[in-house]
Amino acid sequence: AQSVAQPEDQVNVAEGNPLTVKCTYSVSGNPYLFWYVQYPNRGLQFLLKYITGDNLVKGSYGFEAEFNKSQTSFHLKKPSALVSDSALYFCAVRDRGGNTGKLIFGQGTTLQVKP
Amino acid sequence: ETGVTQSPTHLIKTRGQQVTLRCSSQSGHNTVSWYQQALGQGPQFIFQYYREEENGRGNFPPRFSGLQFPNYSSELNVNALELDDSALYLCASSLGSGGVNEQFFGPGTRLTVL
Repeated sequence: AQSVAQPEDQVNVAEGNPLTVKCTYSVSGNPYLFWYVQYPNRGLQFLLKYITGDNLVKGSYGFEAEFNKSQTSFHLKKPSALVSDSALYFCAVRDRGGNTGKLIFGQGTTLQVKP
Repeated sequence: ETGVTQSPTHLIKTRGQQVTLRCSSQSGHNTVSWYQQALGQGPQFIFQYYREEENGRGNFPPRFSGLQFPNYSSELNVNALELDDSALYLCASSLGSGGVNEQFFGPGTRLTVL
């Protein structure tokens, strides 16, 4: 069965420090990979996606993600965290061969950035 | 360019009732997907509509049904509501039914079933 795992319910970092939010997946083939962020009482906002090519993907608000095929991981990173980055982050995958846009989401990781 | 909008924002229903949620897709998008997000969980795919036809369905019973209109807006209908249907319902629009295109999400409708 296809699945996405975000092993940490919460990640705490100090403002200005680098952050990593982890994501691993179990999907047949080479899926498309996405990161979304959700602020309180808001829908999901797209951050970045991996389609093919360079394993390091750059996205919105200074975020980037590193694709590692051998470890089936797609960790979200940012060199210097801001308090305003505090939110709920979701990793998602889509079957490359499917004809629907079905996204399979992880459980989410709460990022808390403290001043 | 307007984003994805959903109505209503909040809704309270009782068990056994029926509910209709509405979604207007982002300008130029022809595909709408619906997701259910229970408290503390990631969104779960309900179904997708592409050019007014259902194009894929997740593991949800038939009492969850939908429509897409010629202007690509969409409705999600849930019959015979159960307590476990309490959740945030998210609508997402995209250009095309699959592939590399990201989905753009609306703010959601919070449904509470008492």
